[in-house]
Amino acid sequence: QKEVEQDPGPLSVPEGAIVSLNCTYSNSAFQYFMWYRQYSRKGPELLMYTYSSGNKEDGRFTAQVDKSSKYISLFIRDSQPSDSATYLCAMIPSRDYKLSFGAGTTVTVRA
Amino acid sequence: NAGVMQNPRHLVRRRGQEARLRCSPMKGHSHVYWYRQLPEEGLKFMVYLQKENIIDESGMPKERFSAEFPKEGPSILRIQQVVRGDSAAYFCASSPRGLQHTGELFFGEGSRLTVL
Repeated sequence: QKEVEQDPGPLSVPEGAIVSLNCTYSNSAFQYFMWYRQYSRKGPELLMYTYSSGNKEDGRFTAQVDKSSKYISLFIRDSQPSDSATYLCAMIPSRDYKLSFGAGTTVTVRA
Repeated sequence: NAGVMQNPRHLVRRRGQEARLRCSPMKGHSHVYWYRQLPEEGLKFMVYLQKENIIDESGMPKERFSAEFPKEGPSILRIQQVVRGDSAAYFCASSPRGLQHTGELFFGEGSRLTVL
């Protein structure tokens, strides 16, 4: 079993739809949770960073963490074609430096 | 405000040759991390370096792979006697302090190695 599970998709939605992405994990030591966006042939770009259970909102993006269920989510509201990318979840134990990544979900937003 | 710079962006090598990948961290960043991304897989940690020190190389194969971050110049990931299984995207990331303190990691655009 992988330490971090993420459905690779692909996910295709019409412009304006809500995109819902999620990851599950098995290591209860993970304390910090991140979502990265990676455009084709580019490096990952940090979107959201959270360290506690609950919701965090930033513009059209909302990150949710449920540590009791070992489940994290990313929601993208009013999706745009420019949101078409691969979204990677990542997590790390407290006071550690090795990020554990999901495999990434490829999202296409159709105009 | 240059970001993390990696070169070359694309590298083609024949089996048995050497590959050298370079990474210049963001200005003011002294912590460098290398990750490898294989098709259909997430990024995997390889090595963590500070200036002139290897902090953790537990994710790096014991043979053929080495990394350095000299006092002057970029960090270098070196792969000797490459094999087809080394074909991947290699990403460098940097942080101003250790990741365990900041949580923020800035990635370069990657070096894509193809072994023929």
